[in-house]
Amino acid sequence: EVQLQESGPGLVKPSQSLSLTCSVTGYSITSNYWGWIRKFPGNKMEWMGYISYSGSTSYNPSLKSRISITRDTSKNQFFLQLNSVTTEDTATYYCARFWRRYYFDYWGQGVMVTVSS
Amino acid sequence: DTVLTQSPALAVSPGERVSISCRASEGVNSYMHWYQQKPGQQPKLLIYKASNLASGVPARFSGSGSGTDFTLTIDPVEADDTATYFCQQSWNDPYTFGAGTKLELK
Repeated sequence: EVQLQESGPGLVKPSQSLSLTCSVTGYSITSNYWGWIRKFPGNKMEWMGYISYSGSTSYNPSLKSRISITRDTSKNQFFLQLNSVTTEDTATYYCARFWRRYYFDYWGQGVMVTVSS
Repeated sequence: DTVLTQSPALAVSPGERVSISCRASEGVNSYMHWYQQKPGQQPKLLIYKASNLASGVPARFSGSGSGTDFTLTIDPVEADDTATYFCQQSWNDPYTFGAGTKLELK
């Protein structure tokens, strides 16, 4: 069975970088697409970006200057880095398999990240 | 960006039929998908590409629509269906989600 698990710090200071890891088991990240989605307090959900089976990436233009998604195929992990965070980046962050860039069929449990000094 | 508009909340009695709507600000072909999220849990895929039931999802759930208007139907509603339901489109970049419809049971 495909399983994803996010990990990373739950508290980040303003202006610093947010870094999260998504560990995948049961399926190789060298197949398909893998995305990051966040859910803000109040329920709004935002697609942040994805990394493909080949390592190419696509990002939401609202984040394009601050976001980077990379991967380590030897560990079957992919990563999110979001730079220059503000309190508005406080959210629950999810990683998910993005089946053929259509829909998110497997999700991690999510990690809540608070941006605060 | 493609804006997806959902009703904020609905309340129904167990055993009834409920329809949850999602309207897109521009056409998304059939690339609309539905998720269920319960408090403290990750979203769960229910319906993909407008009308296809995801694996393991009860047949009480169904989806319809194309273009800009889509509907998720639950018939009959059960107590366990209390959750927030989100639509998501993948036809236009950036991919976007609706604000969610909170379903409560009377």
